[in-house]
Amino acid sequence: DSGVTQTPKHLITATGQRVTLRCSPRSGDLSVYWYQQSLDQGLQFLIQYYNGEERAKGNILERFSAQQFPDLHSELNLSSLELGDSALYFCASSVGGPEAQYFGPGTRLLVL
Amino acid sequence: AQKITQTQPGMFVQEKEAVTLDCTYDTSDQSYGLFWYKQPSSGEMIFLIYQGSYDEQNATEGRYSLNFQKARKSANLVISASQLGDSAMYFCAMRDDALYGQNFVFGPGTRLSVLP
Repeated sequence: DSGVTQTPKHLITATGQRVTLRCSPRSGDLSVYWYQQSLDQGLQFLIQYYNGEERAKGNILERFSAQQFPDLHSELNLSSLELGDSALYFCASSVGGPEAQYFGPGTRLLVL
Repeated sequence: AQKITQTQPGMFVQEKEAVTLDCTYDTSDQSYGLFWYKQPSSGEMIFLIYQGSYDEQNATEGRYSLNFQKARKSANLVISASQLGDSAMYFCAMRDDALYGQNFVFGPGTRLSVLP
């Protein structure tokens, strides 16, 4: 158990809908990272927050947004969902830099 | 653009033997970091080891070591004394330290199978 929690574990929704994925980092970790893993695109970095502020942005679509709250938990919002958004979404946390990241179990999203 | 290449889609190794998983990277940045992750069939992602571009010593973490050859732009993962539990997908990744922030790029992965 990495200490990073993600909810929900599984999510099934329809095209055009909006969902929110939640991540609670390990106690004491200030950085949160979001990743997407799909069969056709592989693993992709989406975005990083550090202590509530956006620190880095990767291949995150405009339909997606994220935030980190004062209690350091983070949410990834996916809107106008498309079939291609079906993937495993990981959250990871670290104390500060990415030298040692701890991953949550992931949220498996299926868009029908 | 940064790129990670893992040329071995699949590898087999006998239990208790050592195995090297290849990773080459392409970047024009001077400051970057290299990572290896393990993903068992259960799906979770496990961070294994990190190497900074300015680190002179090769990183080691238990049975894992990273063979860093900067001039050749390679960052191979060496697993010593393989165990059945090492069977998994292994991903090499790079982080660049651009002024505007950091970005991560992952390789396609290598599936390692440890044979009893």
